[in-house]
Formats: sequence, C-alpha cells, structure tokens
Amino acid sequence: QVQLVESGGGLVKPGGSLRLSCAASGFVFSDYYMTWIRQAPGKGLEWISYISSTGGYTNYADSVKGRFTISRDSATNSLYLQMNSLRAEDTAVYYCARDGTTGDFGDYDYWGQGTLVTVSS
Amino acid sequence: QTVVTQEPSLTVSPGGTVTLTCASSAGAVTSVYYPNWFQQKPGQAPRALIYNINNKQSWTPARFSGSLLGGKAVLTLSSVQPEDEADYYCLVYYGGAWVFGGGTKLTVL
Repeated sequence: QVQLVESGGGLVKPGGSLRLSCAASGFVFSDYYMTWIRQAPGKGLEWISYISSTGGYTNYADSVKGRFTISRDSATNSLYLQMNSLRAEDTAVYYCARDGTTGDFGDYDYWGQGTLVTVSS
Repeated sequence: QTVVTQEPSLTVSPGGTVTLTCASSAGAVTSVYYPNWFQQKPGQAPRALIYNINNKQSWTPARFSGSLLGGKAVLTLSSVQPEDEADYYCLVYYGGAWVFGGGTKLTVL
C-alpha cells in the first residue's frame, strides 16, 4: 500500500535551517510528481512546492521562494525539503503528498501524517 | 497573488444537501485551473475527494460530487451523514502554482 512518512521536523531558531524528509513506499516513486504542503496551527492548507517525476521541474509558492529547496532521490524513494532562513511564520505541520495523475494536476491522492516545524527563539 | 475564497462555515442537517463553492480573485474558475477538493477531519491529514472538477477518488462516497457553476468550482454533498462533518478545501492552479482556498468548516447538526 502507498505510504508516505515525513521526518525531520522540530524546534529551530529564526534564521536557522532544517531539512525535512519524506520516505515513500508502495508505488513507483519515479513515476510521480511530489509536493509539499503546510498547515500553520489552527489555519488552512498552503501549497508550497512541487517537483516533477524526474526532478527536472520545480516550483514554489512566493512565500518560500528563494529560501526553500525541494529535491528527490529515486534511489532511496525519498523527497526532501531544505528550509533556510526560517521565520516564525513558517511554523506549521508540513505534509508531503503524491500527485496521483503522474503529472502536475493537484490530485494529491496520498498524504503523509505530517511533521511539525516550530520556529521560535 | 491569487486569492481563492470559500464559505468560512456552513451548517447542514443530516440527510440534507449542501453546496460548497470555490471562487477566485483572478476571475472565473474554469477547467484549465483543475479544481480539486479535499476533506480534513480534526487531527488528521487531508484526504483527497475530487480531482479535476468532478472525478472521484476510489474511496470517495457517491454522495460527493464536483462541478463548475457560475464561474466557481462547486462541491455538492447529498444525503449528508454525521461523519461528513469536517473542513473542506478546494485547490486550483494559477500561474504555474497551486493555491488552496481558505477552507469551509461544515457542521452537521
């Protein structure tokens, strides 16, 4: 069965860095676009980044552009989010999700359980 | 920055029908924006319901349906069940990026 498991969240000071990971299993990882979505405490969902199946295309929300970098490793079936210059407003649960259409159509059919990132001094 | 607007909250009686809408500040929501719908219950990750306007996931109950109407994406719940109480989010594609609506809190009462 499809599984996505995020890790790497935690408490970090403003201006600091953190790298999130998402371990994928149960499907052919290299066939699917992958995405990161976050949810601040008590708030709605915010799309932040996607990466194509080959890793050749990426895109970011304006709120994280230039600070966050998405990447993937098909050898280990892993998705990553490198987060630099973190701000208090980046505090959120971060979810990885698969686009089930094998393209970029927003069909996020499987989600991980999320990992909490807290940015605070 | 495109803003996607949903009703903040709606209340429906069990067995009733309710319509949730998704509008964009950039203009009419059409098929080229691939509207999708997600359900989220407290303490859980979101769950996909509808993709590309009106296509259901294999697990989506038949009482959920998606459409476009009056320049908006629409999620209709018929014969609402108590377990449908949740937050619902639309997702649309604008300018190469994806944007979630603010979400609708649906209460079944």
